[in-house]
Amino acid sequence: NAGVMQNPRHLVRRRGQEARLRCSPMKGHSHVYWYRQLPEEGLKFMVYLQKENIIDESGMPKERFSAEFPKEGPSILRIQQVVRGDSAAYFCASSPFSGTDTQYFGPGTRLTVL
Amino acid sequence: DQQVKQNSPSLSVQEGRISILNCDYTNSMFDYFLWYKKYPAEGPTFLISISSIKDKNEDGRFTVFLNKSAKHLSLHIVPSQPGDSAVYFCAASAVIIQGAQKLVFGQGTRLTINP
Repeated sequence: NAGVMQNPRHLVRRRGQEARLRCSPMKGHSHVYWYRQLPEEGLKFMVYLQKENIIDESGMPKERFSAEFPKEGPSILRIQQVVRGDSAAYFCASSPFSGTDTQYFGPGTRLTVL
Repeated sequence: DQQVKQNSPSLSVQEGRISILNCDYTNSMFDYFLWYKKYPAEGPTFLISISSIKDKNEDGRFTVFLNKSAKHLSLHIVPSQPGDSAVYFCAASAVIIQGAQKLVFGQGTRLTINP
């Protein structure tokens, strides 16, 4: 039973380019969460999605960032016109239900903006 | 506004002894607490959780204690083993908007177990 999968594991972009991060939740999980970890800090919530719906995007910057979880395929976190401050580890988590269900995390994507 | 705080950035413990990691929170709406363990270049791994209706939860070598009046929780690992060396994150949540479980994380404590 495969865990949460994220790709790519490492992504290097130049300032102004676009970054696309993918997340496939665990089998049977319909809830996806994205978190960002800056160096020497804890993880910060960005967005919570169910299939075809954004439920809570209160942690996502208003500009340049977007997320989707289509009916078919992985969840995508998209960062347009990246800046150096976007360099971080981006983690995806999934759970079968919401509420008090445990979230299981993927290995993360490390984004480096040159 | 740091709602979940882990005031010890690092902790060093002798193998076989007890490791105690602490976490404080400020938001009284939090009703579910979790501990995650993280190795470098990997995602956080779930360890143990506790609901606000309990004050203790035990799973093998890991026990989590919750003191709601003090808004404090702790993770006890006994006996500590070299493989326990990692960064430990405390996380908390409050059920909001259709039951969304938005986790709020502390900054982490780096635990080192010395042989």
